[in-house]
Amino acid sequence: KNEVEQSPQNLTAQEGEFITINCSYSVGISALHWLQQHPGGGIVSLFMLSSGKKKHGRLIATINIQEKHSSLHITASHPRDSAVYICAVEMGWRPRINEKLTFGTGTRLTIIP
Amino acid sequence: SAVISQKPSRDICQRGTSLTIQCQVDSQVTMMFWYRQQPGQSLTLIATANQGSEATYESGFVIDKFPISRPNLTFSTLTVSNMSPEDSSIYLCSVIQDSMNTEAFFGQGTRLTVV
Repeated sequence: KNEVEQSPQNLTAQEGEFITINCSYSVGISALHWLQQHPGGGIVSLFMLSSGKKKHGRLIATINIQEKHSSLHITASHPRDSAVYICAVEMGWRPRINEKLTFGTGTRLTIIP
Repeated sequence: SAVISQKPSRDICQRGTSLTIQCQVDSQVTMMFWYRQQPGQSLTLIATANQGSEATYESGFVIDKFPISRPNLTFSTLTVSNMSPEDSSIYLCSVIQDSMNTEAFFGQGTRLTVV
């Protein structure tokens, strides 16, 4: 069993729909990252969370430390949101000490106009 | 934030040859991470590169195959040696800045095809 599980693996939605991607992990972590990977391969960091909730524009990320679960939400989805979304964790306990990342398998999101 | 310049962005190489990938960061960082992403897979850590010491390799990766240099706090190289088609992957470098609450930053990736 992977230490970081994402669901769904693939998601296709119509433009404008509300999107939710889930991430569950089985180990203690000091931080969780949501990343976006475009077809060219480049990876962009969306969020780093250690507790609570963060919002950037149409993107919202939440984390529940007790349940070892995080969600990434996209409101008013747009075709340019089409990408692979990856959850990654830094294992260990706070204080955070620049830990390596352990990655989920990614969710391929396609938004249809 | 940190900006990472990674090159080459892609290459097609003959089996048996070696390729060196470079990453330059616009700020000083203690640790740099090298990842591999095989086709259709997620990222796997190859090694952690610290300045002034040997890199720390993950299980399944060895220094002879993936030698790493880290001459200073802003630069690192990864060499993929004696390549075979199984080495065809995207290779990425990454940093997390030396601070308590910063995100991870990635190079643009090197898409390697071995023929």
